[in-house]
Amino acid sequence: AQSVTQPDIHITVSEGASLELRCNYSYGATPYLFWYVQSPGQGLQLLLKYFSGDTLVQGIKGFEAEFKRSQSSFNLRKPSVHWSDAAEYFCAVGQIQGAQKLVFGQGTRLTINP
Amino acid sequence: AAGVIQSPRHLIKEKRETATLKCYPIPRHDTVYWYQQGPGQDPQFLISFYEKMQSDKGSIPDRFSAQQFSDYHSELNMSSLELGDSALYFCASSLGTRLWGTDTQYFGPGTRLTVL
Repeated sequence: AQSVTQPDIHITVSEGASLELRCNYSYGATPYLFWYVQSPGQGLQLLLKYFSGDTLVQGIKGFEAEFKRSQSSFNLRKPSVHWSDAAEYFCAVGQIQGAQKLVFGQGTRLTINP
Repeated sequence: AAGVIQSPRHLIKEKRETATLKCYPIPRHDTVYWYQQGPGQDPQFLISFYEKMQSDKGSIPDRFSAQQFSDYHSELNMSSLELGDSALYFCASSLGTRLWGTDTQYFGPGTRLTVL
């Protein structure tokens, strides 16, 4: 069964600093990987996804993620964070082929210092 | 662009009562998923439907049932509510064409259920 681990429960960075959120997955076949962001009391917004092709994926709001098969990782990055990026970030893995459930990591809460 | 609509947004129930949550997928999407997110937890998959048929089932209690209707909207019915059912319930929809890379799930804003 697939699983996702986000090692960092809470990260604090200063506004304007770079950001990297870690995600490791376990899945026997080619994974279908996602990053979602959740603001307090809000739904889940898709930031980006990877299923094949270029391993560096660009998303919305200036985020990018890199798929590294050798490390089973799909880390999320942003060169310069803004105060509005403060939120909970979830990495998720799904199966390619068909309508299948997503398995989420535990989430990483991002706090931005002014 | 149209998004997934969930109603109600907030619901307060007493123990042992029943609740019905509704989900209206993005137009043309034929697949609906339900997830439960407890306080401070990650979303957990409950159940999904593709073309009105159940396509996958997760950790959904027997007290819960769901269905997808001919217009593709879905309802999650919850009976004999327990305190532990208090959570944020998300619905997501996708275009389940079974092709690679097309089943991206788009989430609704969620229904916050509080059981007293």
